[in-house]
Amino acid sequence: DTAVSQTPKYLVTQMGNDKSIKCEQNLGHDTMYWYKQDSKKFLKIMFSYNNKELIINETVPNRFSPKSPDKAHLNLHINSLELGDSAVYFCASSSHTGNTGELFFGEGSRLTVL
Amino acid sequence: DQQVKQNSPSLSVQEGRISILNCDYTNSMFDYFLWYKKYPAEGPTFLISISSIKDKNEDGRFTVFLNKSAKHLSLHIVPSQPGDSAVYFCAASSRKSSGDKLTFGTGTRLAVRP
Repeated sequence: DTAVSQTPKYLVTQMGNDKSIKCEQNLGHDTMYWYKQDSKKFLKIMFSYNNKELIINETVPNRFSPKSPDKAHLNLHINSLELGDSAVYFCASSSHTGNTGELFFGEGSRLTVL
Repeated sequence: DQQVKQNSPSLSVQEGRISILNCDYTNSMFDYFLWYKKYPAEGPTFLISISSIKDKNEDGRFTVFLNKSAKHLSLHIVPSQPGDSAVYFCAASSRKSSGDKLTFGTGTRLAVRP
């Protein structure tokens, strides 16, 4: 049973479209994240939510809007897609209570913007 | 501004020998360091961590060494096994100032030759 699952795994779309990536975790964690891995392999944090509350928002264009309906889900919606948005997006979760810093990652969603 | 650097993009080691992966950081506020392992088409998985109050942490075949004065950490894998072939990411956080936010290096691809 997958701990952190993301859908879709692959997404190919045209510039200007709007798309969403969904993430769910069944670990009972209270903190969830979105990370972006670009073509240079940098893995950078975009957002972090703790108990549905936004706690980290890293200089991300406002075309990116995360939504956390409950603490087990963190979805990422992207408006007006641009070529530079092509990347692998990883969802992750952690237990704030444990505070070990260990993140559990999903398998990633590869977004290709044409 | 790349605060966590892994200067070797790849490393090849014979099975049974030691693998040493290196990581340098520039932010003196970092106080917690982690290594993640990533197989193709999967998300990174946590391997081992070390707090800045320690200089060594060991878990089975994996040992992480931290040299705070040099702002350098290394991951030793002994003995190396073919299943260890993966990309290894070093990550760091400043628990006091930015909590769970991890800053990642660009990874080192390890190939263990049978």
